[in-house]
Amino acid sequence: DAKTTQPTSMDCAEGRAANLPCNHSTISGNEYVYWYRQIHSQGPQYIIHGLKNNETNEMASLIITEDRKSSTLILPHATLRDTAVYYCIVRVESAGKSTFGDGTTLTVKP
Amino acid sequence: GAVVSQHPSRVICKSGTSVKIECRSLDFQATTMFWYRQFPKQSLMLMATSNEGSKATYEQGVEKDKFLINHASLTLSTLTVTSAHPEDSSFYICSARDPSRYGYTFGSGTRLTVV
Repeated sequence: DAKTTQPTSMDCAEGRAANLPCNHSTISGNEYVYWYRQIHSQGPQYIIHGLKNNETNEMASLIITEDRKSSTLILPHATLRDTAVYYCIVRVESAGKSTFGDGTTLTVKP
Repeated sequence: GAVVSQHPSRVICKSGTSVKIECRSLDFQATTMFWYRQFPKQSLMLMATSNEGSKATYEQGVEKDKFLINHASLTLSTLTVTSAHPEDSSFYICSARDPSRYGYTFGSGTRLTVV
């Protein structure tokens, strides 16, 4: 799996968009970008994934740069319940295991 | 949606005893499940890959005789921590993939405390 780099922590005001960056400069052509989040003392939760096109679902949007060396997860209207550790993972889709980095601790403040 | 149930959610055991943790896929079949361990303020570390009907694959540095994995059916994998010691105290999490959904589904985790 390609290595990813994320900021250790970020703050966001409630109701504002939270933009979480991830660098993955060594990503291979067949590797996808996955995002998960882990709320305190729970198992991680899948958020979104993409290969090279931008993606959007009911939880978030994923913006991947044209060279695919970085991406940004966007939570359009952050709520207090979005406070969690967000993990960016890069791997081939068929791969089973995921390698978790240190993630970004997002704190949404009132 | 896809649900992975993990039991127990919390367990306290005495040093030297064994503890079994169950991971069940409730609405899908999983030929492969994954077991992770997470120490406080750290990220998840993959311990092993559980394969239905065959031996588990352990990550480097994980003692297979200490962490026994059994994947006897397409919906159940168990992790047994044998002869537990205080340093085995951790948050254990399993995951599996529902082929009809994106991403992997994780259990809610088991907090193991060895006293």
